[in-house]
Amino acid sequence: DVKVTQSSRYLVKRTGEKVFLECVQDMDHENMFWYRQDPGLGLRLIYFSYDVKMKEKGDIPEGYSVSREKKERFSLILESASTNQTSMYLCASSLDTRGGSPLHFGNGTRLTVT
Amino acid sequence: AQSVTQLDSQVPVFEEAPVELRCNYSSSVSVYLFWYVQYPNQGLQLLLKYLSGSTLVKGINGFEAEFNKSQTSFHLRKPSVHISDTAEYFCAVSPHTGGFKTIFGAGTRLFVKA
Repeated sequence: DVKVTQSSRYLVKRTGEKVFLECVQDMDHENMFWYRQDPGLGLRLIYFSYDVKMKEKGDIPEGYSVSREKKERFSLILESASTNQTSMYLCASSLDTRGGSPLHFGNGTRLTVT
Repeated sequence: AQSVTQLDSQVPVFEEAPVELRCNYSSSVSVYLFWYVQYPNQGLQLLLKYLSGSTLVKGINGFEAEFNKSQTSFHLRKPSVHISDTAEYFCAVSPHTGGFKTIFGAGTRLFVKA
């Protein structure tokens, strides 16, 4: 079974801090994703990566960056955290680029920026 | 471009009653369709998917969904719910042309009451 592990369940950071959210998958999946989940808005794609060192912007990339130095690890970086980035962050992976390949999610990181 | 509309934000239902969670989508290209479930304090997990073939799809935990191309709908049903089905349910679509852009609905929160 695919396991996607997010390093922190809860984080509390101050405005202006640099924040790192880490995600590791153990099934050699090509694609990895970072989503943001807010009530009433569903999931919105921040960034995705289809290969090591490759990344593409999603729908809401502003204020975020990502890093994928190894196939199994995908990091989300908030360069200067702001209160409007308080949210649930979900990492996901999928096997390949076919549209029918489902997403496998981690348990999420709930980030609070004060 | 694709969009997904989940017609009910919350659905309360008594235990052992049937339930239907409604999902409509809009897309200019052919899509694959998914339902994901999110239990409290967890990430999303795949409930079922429609890729092709029979329009009635069976998933885990006794859920099923029917793809209706003419009405662009993919409603989720269960004939008899349990307390443990209390969760948030997300409908999602992914274009046949590539799997990077999975579009999610806003979610439907199912409350099962004793």
